Amino acid sequence: DAGVIQSPRHEVTEMGQEVTLRCKPISGHDYLFWYRQTMMRGLELLIYFNNNVPIDDSGMPEDRFSAKMPNASFSTLKIQPSEPRDSAVYFCASSRSRRGITDTQYFGPGTRLTVL
Amino acid sequence: DAKTTQPPSMDCAEGRAANLPCNHSTISGNEYVYWYRQIHSQGPQYIIHGLKNNETNEMASLIITEDRKSSTLILPHATLRDTAVYYCIVRAVGGGADGLTFGKGTHLIIQP
Repeated sequence: DAGVIQSPRHEVTEMGQEVTLRCKPISGHDYLFWYRQTMMRGLELLIYFNNNVPIDDSGMPEDRFSAKMPNASFSTLKIQPSEPRDSAVYFCASSRSRRGITDTQYFGPGTRLTVL
Repeated sequence: DAKTTQPPSMDCAEGRAANLPCNHSTISGNEYVYWYRQIHSQGPQYIIHGLKNNETNEMASLIITEDRKSSTLILPHATLRDTAVYYCIVRAVGGGADGLTFGKGTHLIIQP
């Protein structure tokens, strides 16, 4: 399996622009997670989906952030408008549930976002 | 989820066993201990997890104390590629608490 795929790997944009990060989870996994990593705050969970439905978005910092999962093989995290403080590495992870319990999470390589 | 305490950094000589401690004194009976690591510029990588028994896989061994208040991750023969930040995470199973809460971890540096 190719693992979790994220694109782009690097994104540089200017303040105020819309940014869209993409994720393809591992085939067969029914959970998808978006995390953000910064030096100041470390790794933080933003939102996660189960069977394409958002379950917990309490980690989303503000309304400028939105995430969708239109099907089992694709998710997006959008920031509109972007601000310099959004600069971070964004990770996508996926896992599968067995007997109602989520299994190990597998992380993608991340998208390094820089907002100027 | 219960919080964990780890030393911020550790050194280990290449070829020796690296023993990474973690305290989780408020762990609940239904919480697992997970270990992940993050090599520089990569996504976190799962290593091992356990509930109360010691566990071993191809990467590492996990030793959990009988009272479950602490654990040790053991890399039996550390190599330079094991240099990374290691995260100990206590995670409830079921009930919707499915995200991982990462602390600051231990930066393990393998010395040649």
